[in-house]
Amino acid sequence: QKEVEQNSGPLSVPEGAIASLNCTYSDRGSQSFFWYRQYSGKSPELIMSIYSNGDKEDGRFTAQLNKASQYVSLLIRDSQPSDSATYLCAVNEGGGADGLTFGKGTHLIIQP
Amino acid sequence: NAGVTQTPKFQVLKTGQSMTLQCAQDMNHNSMYWYRQDPGMGLRLIYYSASEGTTDKGEVPNGYNVSRLNKREFSLRLESAAPSQTSVYFCASRLQPPETQYFGPGTRLLVL
Repeated sequence: QKEVEQNSGPLSVPEGAIASLNCTYSDRGSQSFFWYRQYSGKSPELIMSIYSNGDKEDGRFTAQLNKASQYVSLLIRDSQPSDSATYLCAVNEGGGADGLTFGKGTHLIIQP
Repeated sequence: NAGVTQTPKFQVLKTGQSMTLQCAQDMNHNSMYWYRQDPGMGLRLIYYSASEGTTDKGEVPNGYNVSRLNKREFSLRLESAAPSQTSVYFCASRLQPPETQYFGPGTRLLVL
């Protein structure tokens, strides 16, 4: 059974601080990793994708991947109230057309 | 360019009724997916289609059927709805694995 684990939260972070979201996965063959943001009542929206070990930065967001530890993280710098949402970690095994395996999401609250 | 569209947005069914959820994408993607999202369970894959003419079961296929009508359209059918199928259903598409999946706005289904 492929599993993706996230702390459900809520994670409360002051405005302007760094929010750190974490995710672990069970399938060592996984090859692509995604962070989606989901506002209440809306569909998942891609924030970051990462395919190789290390860091990937896009604006205020940094994704970090460590395949040896089977660990993915998302850092949000200068957190804004609009960042308050549920963040979903998703993992895709290599090859084929299997869908993504999702974690249950971390509920992030940015306190003004 | 509408991306991924889904109809209807909201539906109420009685136990035993049937219905078809429609999904279409205009991004010329090869792969299409149906997920359901339940509180506390995250998103789970129901069925997917790697290309026109092919479909495969995901994690939770029981009680559902799918049709890949053409490259653009992928429908999900509930033949005899049950209260356990009350959920939010998301359609997604991508060019090919392991690239990013893009999600439609979702269909909220209530089975009484």
